[in-house]
Amino acid sequence: AQSVTQLDSHVSVSEGTPVLLRCNYSSSYSPSLFWYVQHPNKGLQLLLKYTSAATLVKGINGFEAEFKKSETSFHLTKPSAHMSDAAEYFCVVSPYNQGGKLIFGQGTELSVKP
Amino acid sequence: GAGVSQSPSNKVTEKGKDVELRCDPISGHTALYWYRQSLGQGLEFLIYFQGNSAPDKSGLPSDRFSAERTGGSVSTLTIQRTQQEDSAVYLCASSLRREFNYEQYFGPGTRLTVT
Repeated sequence: AQSVTQLDSHVSVSEGTPVLLRCNYSSSYSPSLFWYVQHPNKGLQLLLKYTSAATLVKGINGFEAEFKKSETSFHLTKPSAHMSDAAEYFCVVSPYNQGGKLIFGQGTELSVKP
Repeated sequence: GAGVSQSPSNKVTEKGKDVELRCDPISGHTALYWYRQSLGQGLEFLIYFQGNSAPDKSGLPSDRFSAERTGGSVSTLTIQRTQQEDSAVYLCASSLRREFNYEQYFGPGTRLTVT
């Protein structure tokens, strides 16, 4: 069965320091992987996606993620956090044989301290 | 262009009543998905539609839940005889195609509270 595990429910960083949000997935075949962000009382916004092209994926707002098949990981990083990055982040897997159905991780809440 | 829209944004209903939630997908998107976001269960898939094909209802939690999509565009999610455990944010998403590598665009959601 396919699944997604976000290893931290909450991450706190200081403004200007790097961000690392960890995600591991389980899938029988090569899936597509996504990171979505949800700001308070807002809808989900796509940050970036991996679809078996380059393993290092660049997204919006300076975020990027690296697909590592050997480690079944898809961690999200950003070199320098901004106050506006405070939000909930979801790692998502879309198994190739399930017609676009998304499987969400439990989410990681990112706090950014001034 | 316009994104996915959902209405109402908030709905408070009494236990046992029926509710209808509406979703307008992005124009030209053939695939439409419903998800539910609740504190205990996180984000979970409910149902999806692709064009005129039969929908995949495998995520619907009970037979009190149903959905339809008229004319390949607007979709309505109906919950009959609502229960308190139905309280959640219901999210709609659309995609160009119902394929695993196409990104989904989400609406703002409908927050349902069952009292």
